[in-house]
Amino acid sequence: EAGVTQSPTHLIKTRGQQVTLRCSPISGHTSVYWYQQALGLGLQFLLWYDEGEERNRGNFPPRFSGRQFPNYSSELNVNALELEDSALYLCASSPGQTSGQPQHFGDGTRLSIL
Amino acid sequence: QQQVKQSPQSLIVQKGGISIINCAYENTAFDYFPWYQQFPGKGPALLIAIRPDVSEKKEGRFTISFNKSAKQFSLHIMDSQPGDSATYFCAASRANSGYALNFGKGTSLLVTP
Repeated sequence: EAGVTQSPTHLIKTRGQQVTLRCSPISGHTSVYWYQQALGLGLQFLLWYDEGEERNRGNFPPRFSGRQFPNYSSELNVNALELEDSALYLCASSPGQTSGQPQHFGDGTRLSIL
Repeated sequence: QQQVKQSPQSLIVQKGGISIINCAYENTAFDYFPWYQQFPGKGPALLIAIRPDVSEKKEGRFTISFNKSAKQFSLHIMDSQPGDSATYFCAASRANSGYALNFGKGTSLLVTP
């Protein structure tokens, strides 16, 4: 069974640009979570999607957004990139909000802002 | 505001020894407590998880101890091996947030030969 896959693995952008990160969940999983792992800040919850809807978001500005497609894959969009957005962005999936957990993570997208 | 506090930040243990990592939380609504292991360049991998109605859970060399009244839980790695050298994260979550994980800051474990 394939795990959570994320693309691209690495990305370099400059301040002010926009970026889109992609995530494919484990087959049969309907919930997708996004986390940011920034140096010194640890792992922080960004967004949760389930059945195509945004269900919850963490303490991040609105320039962080995303969506979930009918096949349950997901995109994370970050607008007006800032230097502090440099981080590893991790996607996790779980069977759905009724079962909730466990969450299985992909290997992330490393985003560097110059 | 860090909802889950983890200690120590780093840990060095000899091969065959016991590694112990501790976490504390404040929100009594948390009802799911997983531990994740992360190797460099990889995403976190679920190790073991516990719910607050259980005081201890063991899977192989990994044991979670849970103290609901103290709002603390810990990971014990028995017979630690060099291959266990990684960063370990505790986390806590609750149903009404869709089980979005609140992570501790992580413990970097080094097991020496």
